[in-house]
Amino acid sequence: GENVEQHPSTLSVQEGDSAVIKCTYSDSASNYFPWYKQELGKRPQLIIDIRSNVGEKKDQRIAVTLNKTAKHFSLHITETQPEDSAVYFCAASDKGGGSEKLVFGKGTKLTVNP
Amino acid sequence: GAVVSQHPSWVICKSGTSVKIECRSLDFQATTMFWYRQFPKKSLMLMATSNEGSKATYEQGVEKDKFLINHASLTLSTLTVTSAHPEDSSFYICSAGKGLMNTEAFFGQGTRLTVV
Repeated sequence: GENVEQHPSTLSVQEGDSAVIKCTYSDSASNYFPWYKQELGKRPQLIIDIRSNVGEKKDQRIAVTLNKTAKHFSLHITETQPEDSAVYFCAASDKGGGSEKLVFGKGTKLTVNP
Repeated sequence: GAVVSQHPSWVICKSGTSVKIECRSLDFQATTMFWYRQFPKKSLMLMATSNEGSKATYEQGVEKDKFLINHASLTLSTLTVTSAHPEDSSFYICSAGKGLMNTEAFFGQGTRLTVV
């Protein structure tokens, strides 16, 4: 089955700096890669996702890149703010067209210092 | 968006008792829901896929008789932790999607189970 590795497990940056979180996956059939943000005690919330037919996607300060050949994808947050502090999870799904079954990475705790 | 509601938000039970957790999709129908377990400061571990009108599909290592899943309608899936023990204490969270053309998973708010 699918295996998703995520690095780093913790990341501390100064406000205004950029943060990058990287994930690799094992199943070449995976074609949907979402990123979730989870604040303490709350449910995960989708922040951005990318499909395998796209190499990059951007939404304001957040961008995701995908390298299918290397089987890795990354989350980029620019101009970080203290409210970006949370745990971020990457995930991969292998059911093309419609699947909510996700295999998650272990998470990255991001701390943005004012 | 879509709303998935989970109940209860937290529960404390005695060892040996059973606890039922509900997951409801409030504004859409979900033929498939997913149950995850999350340990403190850890990732979301998929336990099982709940299929409306049929048996759940369990992930390797998850005890079917321990974690009973029922998906009797298109808007409700339940997870029953049977004969709970302290090691079952965890954060349980469900997710559901809207269907074929939308793969976003919407999560419930989670249930904090403490077995004493």
